[in-house]
Amino acid sequence: AQSVTQLGSHVSVSEGALVLLRCNYSSSVPPYLFWYVQYPNQGLQLLLKYTSAATLVKGINGFEAEFKKSETSFHLTKPSAHMSDAAEYFCAVSGATGTASKLTFGTGTRLQVTL
Amino acid sequence: GAGVSQSPRYKVAKRGQDVALRCDPISGHVSLFWYQQALGQGPEFLTYFQNEAQLDKSGLPSDRFFAERPEGSVSTLKIQRTQQEDSAVYLCASSPTSGGFTDTQYFGPGTRLTVL
Repeated sequence: AQSVTQLGSHVSVSEGALVLLRCNYSSSVPPYLFWYVQYPNQGLQLLLKYTSAATLVKGINGFEAEFKKSETSFHLTKPSAHMSDAAEYFCAVSGATGTASKLTFGTGTRLQVTL
Repeated sequence: GAGVSQSPRYKVAKRGQDVALRCDPISGHVSLFWYQQALGQGPEFLTYFQNEAQLDKSGLPSDRFFAERPEGSVSTLKIQRTQQEDSAVYLCASSPTSGGFTDTQYFGPGTRLTVL
């Protein structure tokens, strides 16, 4: 069965610093991986997704993620954090048993951005 | 265009009451999902509809949970005889296609259910 693990429930960075949010996956088949962001009192919004077309995936708001099969990782990065990036970030994998597009989420990482 | 909307946004119920949560997906979207998000956790899958057909209800935690989408658009998640452990945010998501591995799901803002 597919699953994802997010290391670090809270990450704090200074404005302008590199953002690195970690996600490792477990899958017996090639995974399809997603990063979603959740702002307070809002629904989840897709940042980017890996569909096997390219290992480096660029998303919205300057975020990108690199699929590394050898490390079973799909870490999310942004070169320079902005105050508006403060939110909860979820890594997810699709293709669990049953419905192909059903998403299995990690427990989330709350990103804090300080001045 | 309009996104996914959910109502009510907040619901407080006494233990044992029945509740109904509504989801209005993006117009024309074929797929509709319900997820449950407990405090401090990631969303967990409850059920999936393709048009009006409920194709996957493997995530429903008990027979107190029931979902429907009778005309293939609006969906309702009903919880009977609510328990405190049902307290969570219930998220609805829709997708324009019929359930592929790489489909993007568009989420609503959720309904926060508190059972006292």
